[in-house]
Amino acid sequence: SQKIEQNSEALNIQEGKTATLTCNYTNYSPAYLQWYRQDPGRGPVFLLLIRENEKEKRKERLKVTFDTTLKQSLFHITASQPADSATYLCALPSGGYQKVTFGIGTKLQVIP
Amino acid sequence: DSGVTQTPKHLITATGQRVTLRCSPRSGDLSVYWYQQSLDQGLQFLIQYYNGEERAKGNILERFSAQQFPDLHSELNLSSLELGDSALYFCASSVDLGQGAYEQYFGPGTRLTVT
Repeated sequence: SQKIEQNSEALNIQEGKTATLTCNYTNYSPAYLQWYRQDPGRGPVFLLLIRENEKEKRKERLKVTFDTTLKQSLFHITASQPADSATYLCALPSGGYQKVTFGIGTKLQVIP
Repeated sequence: DSGVTQTPKHLITATGQRVTLRCSPRSGDLSVYWYQQSLDQGLQFLIQYYNGEERAKGNILERFSAQQFPDLHSELNLSSLELGDSALYFCASSVDLGQGAYEQYFGPGTRLTVT
């Protein structure tokens, strides 16, 4: 069955460092992969989408890579700030019209 | 503000009861998705509607049902509630990014507590 794996353990990082989060998937051949941010008690917010023919995508301090051979996406936040503390979810299209499936998310804590 | 609205924000009810959660998608969006998120659990897809028609079904219990109305708002009905149904329920709508990709906009959620 299709599976999305994110490190469910929290990631603690010092302010100013680069945070790297991992999303691995199995039994998928996704045309794209998405990353969302979720703050406690709030709905997820879309951050970035990367397509299967793109190796890397950047948006301000965010960078996403997509390796379809390794079946893995890496999500980087450079010069991290305490305001970046949140849970980050990856999502893949999973059949059905416009349907995506979300990973469980990785909680990032940026320490001042 | 995503443009997706959900009511109510909080709901406290007893086991065995029935509740209705309401969602209005962003103006112009035809799709509505419902998700359940329990404490420390990921987003679980429940059901999707597109322009009034059911398009995809996830792990939705038989006690739960949904519909999308002609004005595109949607309601999620939860009946015979159990303690385990306590969760955040999110609604989302989507926008076409081209080439088969879609971005989802989530509402603020309804926090359901079953006592």
